[in-house]
Amino acid sequence: GAVVSQHPSWVICKSGTSVKIECRSLDFQATTMFWYRQFPKQSLMLMATSNEGSKATYEQGVEKDKFLINHASLTLSTLTVTSAHPEDSSFYICSAGGTGGRELFFGEGSRLTVL
Amino acid sequence: KQEVTQIPAALSVPEGENLVLNCSFTDSAIYNLQWFRQDPGKGLTSLLLIQSSQREQTSGRLNASLDKSSGRSTLYIAASQPGDSATYLCAVRPVQGAQKLVFGQGTRLTINP
Repeated sequence: GAVVSQHPSWVICKSGTSVKIECRSLDFQATTMFWYRQFPKQSLMLMATSNEGSKATYEQGVEKDKFLINHASLTLSTLTVTSAHPEDSSFYICSAGGTGGRELFFGEGSRLTVL
Repeated sequence: KQEVTQIPAALSVPEGENLVLNCSFTDSAIYNLQWFRQDPGKGLTSLLLIQSSQREQTSGRLNASLDKSSGRSTLYIAASQPGDSATYLCAVRPVQGAQKLVFGQGTRLTINP
């Protein structure tokens, strides 16, 4: 199946700093990617839809100024957590589907810990 | 608003047993339904995808069924093995919602040797 890669797989940062997470589709082009957040023992909650070449679409309650999304190419979307705080600590997962794709593929996830 | 529920939340069975995981959704207007596996601290691995026009899909020891009219799907695991231990997530793709998925809470499965 298609491969979606995330980097870094885990990151620890100090409160107030910004952290960037990358999501790459390795063997297909993705016009749309999705960013999810998962708290311990909970399910995935969609944060935003990343659209190549245009602004991301955020779900209700997600702060767009805090979670900056950039989808500069058909194979790369980035999520930047700005001025991170301990409550932003979570597991962030991206997904992507190919052109006309019916199936979505997920990255390995990135665990963010904010001290 | 589409809601997805998975029952049970956790399940522990001895190795070798056949088992069924349940998923229900409130809005039958879906494009497809996907079952995923998630190991602790890891991302999601797609197991089976069922299009809205299909009734079931099979892959090895896994069989997923879909009854769209009643808003239900089941994941059947035959001859369970300790390596099957993981959290299983059900997700539906709403017709109106482009490619984004709505997830259930998951079933945490433990297969005891």
